[in-house]
Amino acid sequence: ETGVTQTPRHLVMGMTNKKSLKCEQHLGHNAMYWYKQSAKKPLELMFVYSLEERVENNSVPSRFSPECPNSSHLFLHLHTLQPEDSALYLCASSQVLTGGADTQYFGPGTRLTVL
Amino acid sequence: KNEVEQSPQNLTAQEGEFITINCSYSVGISALHWLQQHPGGGIVSLFMLSSGKKKHGRLIATINIQEKHSSLHITASHPRDSAVYICAVRFGNDMRFGAGTRLTVKP
Repeated sequence: ETGVTQTPRHLVMGMTNKKSLKCEQHLGHNAMYWYKQSAKKPLELMFVYSLEERVENNSVPSRFSPECPNSSHLFLHLHTLQPEDSALYLCASSQVLTGGADTQYFGPGTRLTVL
Repeated sequence: KNEVEQSPQNLTAQEGEFITINCSYSVGISALHWLQQHPGGGIVSLFMLSSGKKKHGRLIATINIQEKHSSLHITASHPRDSAVYICAVRFGNDMRFGAGTRLTVKP
């Protein structure tokens, strides 16, 4: 138990559906992250929120839309996904310190299948 | 070509053996992370390094900034160490990950 929870743990959706992934951290951290892990490919950083502001968007398709309403909660809204978006989506959080590097704590992930 | 290369891709060892996993990277970094991912997907952060060496129990991580290389060592390996070990580097606001090393420790 890392203090980062994700729901749902498994999700199957059609290409026309709209769904959301939820992440919650109970660690008092000030930064949250979404990662994508596809089969046979390295982890990819999708979005970073630091102090509730999006810091970067690594050219992720617009069918993925993040939302960070407060420092403890992070959502990933999904719409009109493609089968190649099927992957494990991982959330992480960290305490970012000025001038310092941070250790990230990962949630268990949501296994997404797009039909 | 991935900016982060790990070797070996797969590693099988007998219980008790000394394990080394290597990571090389091609960009200037602010920190390097070693992660452990068990079947089912959960990821645990093992180490964060910016220089030198760190030790935690049977795990040791080293980094050589000049050579852009890091190693993760496991002493007295145990079947419960079986997992995928991932090297990740942070540069600027970005993080890049190696493909992982799948370790299987047999009893």
